[in-house]
Amino acid sequence: QPVLTQPPSASASLGASVTLTCTLSSGYSNYKVDWYQQRPGKGPRFVMRVGTGGIVGSKGDGIPDRFSVLGSGLNRYLIIENIQEEDEGDYHCGADYGSGSNFVWVFGGGTKLTVL
Amino acid sequence: QITLKESGPTLVKPTQTLTLTCTFSGFSLTTSGVGVGWIRQPPGEALEWLALIYWDDDERYSPSLKTRLTITKDTSKNQVVLTMTNMDPVDTATYYCAHRPKYNSVWWGFVYWGQGTLVTVS
Repeated sequence: QPVLTQPPSASASLGASVTLTCTLSSGYSNYKVDWYQQRPGKGPRFVMRVGTGGIVGSKGDGIPDRFSVLGSGLNRYLIIENIQEEDEGDYHCGADYGSGSNFVWVFGGGTKLTVL
Repeated sequence: QITLKESGPTLVKPTQTLTLTCTFSGFSLTTSGVGVGWIRQPPGEALEWLALIYWDDDERYSPSLKTRLTITKDTSKNQVVLTMTNMDPVDTATYYCAHRPKYNSVWWGFVYWGQGTLVTVS
């Protein structure tokens, strides 16, 4: 099953841009991952799914245009432009693997985004 | 509008069995291409997937917790129930239920989430 690796922290100034990275383990370059936003004290919120071709499907409810994704090799990126205070929180990536009795869903360790 | 809400005890003792209920609205678990999952998050830690149940009664479990988990659904009540046996302090976490849809023949991730319920084992 894939392992998803995320840097523990990231920061950006108000109005700047930031790129968050989720790295798949070797051998899983064709996998798609989901990005989830978790504001302080709240539950996760689906942002969007990303593969090597970019976004898969559509964004989650209420996700602003400032959020976009890219996929390259083993990396899946969430890009946030014109960062706002409301963007501060934890960002998780997740992916499903296998089928039938081998099915498993994995999450990365999460990245805490601080807006300066 | 899809909503989910978790309910259950906030405190359980070690070795006890935890029973959590997810009550949802805005969709039916009798509709093809729908699943409801449980995910937990220990304080300050990462998300961990626990179990999934689909409209067709198919069940999936985390391999590391499979022997302790049971997921069931009650379509008449729009509820999904998760039981976890032999609770331990390391199981202290916020437990979330979430909706997993299939759109255009493709399974998505967990699109709609409940607010979560904190369970302390002590």
